[in-house]
Amino acid sequence: NAGVMQNPRHLVRRRGQEARLRCSPMKGHSHVYWYRQLPEEGLKFMVYLQKENIIDESGMPKERFSAEFPKEGPSILRIQQVVRGDSAAYFCASSPEISGQETQYFGPGTRLLVL
Amino acid sequence: AQSVTQLGSHVSVSEGALVLLRCNYSSSVPPYLFWYVQYPNQGLQLLLKYTSAATLVKGINGFEAEFKKSETSFHLTKPSAHMSDAAEYFCAVREGGYQKVTFGIGTKLQVIP
Repeated sequence: NAGVMQNPRHLVRRRGQEARLRCSPMKGHSHVYWYRQLPEEGLKFMVYLQKENIIDESGMPKERFSAEFPKEGPSILRIQQVVRGDSAAYFCASSPEISGQETQYFGPGTRLLVL
Repeated sequence: AQSVTQLGSHVSVSEGALVLLRCNYSSSVPPYLFWYVQYPNQGLQLLLKYTSAATLVKGINGFEAEFKKSETSFHLTKPSAHMSDAAEYFCAVREGGYQKVTFGIGTKLQVIP
């Protein structure tokens, strides 16, 4: 049973380019969460999605960042016109649909470096 | 609003010594509490979780944590440190029925031979 998968694991972009980060949740999981980890900081919540719906995007920067979780395929975190401050590790987590005590399971992360 | 405070961003212990990593939380409703471990350049792995059942929670790799409501604490312990325990540990809180998880800033554990 494969865990949460993220790709690419490492991504290098120049300022002004676009970054696309992909997350495939665990089998049977329909809830996806994105977190950002800046150097020497903990993880900060960005967005929570279910299939085709954004449930909570209170942690997303107002500009340049967007996320989707289509009916088919992985969840995508998109960063337009990247700046050096976007350099961070971006983690995706997933949880099952059943309500209650579900735990979020994390992927290995994508480490974005903006030159 | 929920929040987590981890006391001590760096902790050093000798191999074989007791490990104690501190975590205090703030939550307006009974929380779910978690400890995750992160090894260098890897994702987060769940160590253990508290979900309102037993207050003493046992996790993987010999770790355990005790939920103390009166102290709003959820400290992580291990009786005897092993070199392989060197990693960064994150305490996290989620309010029941709410999906957003709030993480502490992390504690880096160093194990000295």
